[in-house]
Amino acid sequence: DAGITQSPRYKITETGRQVTLMCHQTWSHSYMFWYRQDLGHGLRLIYYSAAADITDKGEVPDGYVVSRSKTENFPLTLESATRSQTSVYFCASSLGTSGFEQYFGPGTRLTVT
Amino acid sequence: TQLLEQSPQFLSIQEGENLTVYCNSSSVFSSLQWYRQEPGEGPVLLVTVVTGGEVKKLKRLTFQFGDARKDSSLHITAAQTGDTGLYLCAGAGWGGTSYGKLTFGQGTILTVHP
Repeated sequence: DAGITQSPRYKITETGRQVTLMCHQTWSHSYMFWYRQDLGHGLRLIYYSAAADITDKGEVPDGYVVSRSKTENFPLTLESATRSQTSVYFCASSLGTSGFEQYFGPGTRLTVT
Repeated sequence: TQLLEQSPQFLSIQEGENLTVYCNSSSVFSSLQWYRQEPGEGPVLLVTVVTGGEVKKLKRLTFQFGDARKDSSLHITAAQTGDTGLYLCAGAGWGGTSYGKLTFGQGTILTVHP
């Protein structure tokens, strides 16, 4: 049981390039989330999805695009990467019921040069 | 906007000491969770508390949800070096635009020295 996986784990890209971070979960959880984690800012929600084909903005959505054509996948695309998007990105999933617990992937460390 | 304030932000103690981390808000949450995160990994769920006044124990860790469901605490007895990490509290909203989402505290970095 793989749970929730993210790829790549590390990525270096140049300013202006498009980059896509992948997230895959095997639990059939309805909800999926993308966060970025930066020193001094904690976990900030970028986008989330309540189900396939339903997505909504979080706290810091500018410069990011998401899609969710299948329940198990939730890719995050940086359309034109900027240095301010250098961060560690975490994907999470949740049943969206009861205690609303979220289960996190191992993260992708992205560096934009 | 719901906010969760965690304190202290940093905690450096010796092995064997006790400690308490606090999570406070002016908002009421339907449930509250505590996560632990180690360097290079994602946060891992430790516990969920749902009922006001609820106390849960996980070995040497004791979690409490405030009666008014606005605050929570994490107490560690006889800390060990393996407890070192970032501790995050997170609250779940009741509904509307908050449904399904969590509000995270800024985290407490705990370092336990041998």
